[in-house]
Amino acid sequence: SSELTQDPAVSVALGQTVRITCQGDSLRSYYASWYQQKPGQAPVLVIYGKNNRPSGIPDRFSGSSSGNTASLTITGAQAEDEADYYCNSRDSSGNHPVFGGGTKLTVL
Amino acid sequence: QVQLVQSGAEVKKPGSSVKVSCKASGGTFSSYTISWVRQAPGQGLEWMGRIIPILGIANYAQKFQGRVTITADKSTSTAYMELSSLRSEDTAVYYCARDYSGPNYNWFDPWGQGTLVTVSS
Repeated sequence: SSELTQDPAVSVALGQTVRITCQGDSLRSYYASWYQQKPGQAPVLVIYGKNNRPSGIPDRFSGSSSGNTASLTITGAQAEDEADYYCNSRDSSGNHPVFGGGTKLTVL
Repeated sequence: QVQLVQSGAEVKKPGSSVKVSCKASGGTFSSYTISWVRQAPGQGLEWMGRIIPILGIANYAQKFQGRVTITADKSTSTAYMELSSLRSEDTAVYYCARDYSGPNYNWFDPWGQGTLVTVSS
């Protein structure tokens, strides 16, 4: 099992707000990064650092963190946001990267 | 900006080895870190290891120690991941990605397009 825990599946109505969470002890010391992956495609970075979006990522994506939980929030979810989302941070030793198990987001 | 292009799909027999390449364009290859991440069919992402080309130093996830070798050729801006003693469970898409690591952060961007490695007798 991963050192970062995500809910396997989350759903949201079109245009509503959804929060995807990632839990792990290392998140108390390290920022999480977030990736969107659509079927048959490589992952794409959507949030990194404290709450930074790479160029081209819509501003409806935002990140936050509290204690051992990092969150990815999509404000006003769109149909094209339907995808798998993965968090990433460090393992308990702090030496190596680790990924959460992923959350499948369904936009209804 | 940096782009990563990987080699094509491979079919391998159990017990053999596979070597996947990742060619970088844009940026200064030797100055950044390349990680390898794999994804088994229907499964999540799994970090395998990384290399810093300018130093030629690689480190690996415990799970793959002894079976994976990551190298880099600065003259061609290409990183390689070789996995040996292949078994059916190694069937996966293998990705390279530029790895940003610091005191309290880690992220990967961009990613290569992925290379499907199928292990089958």
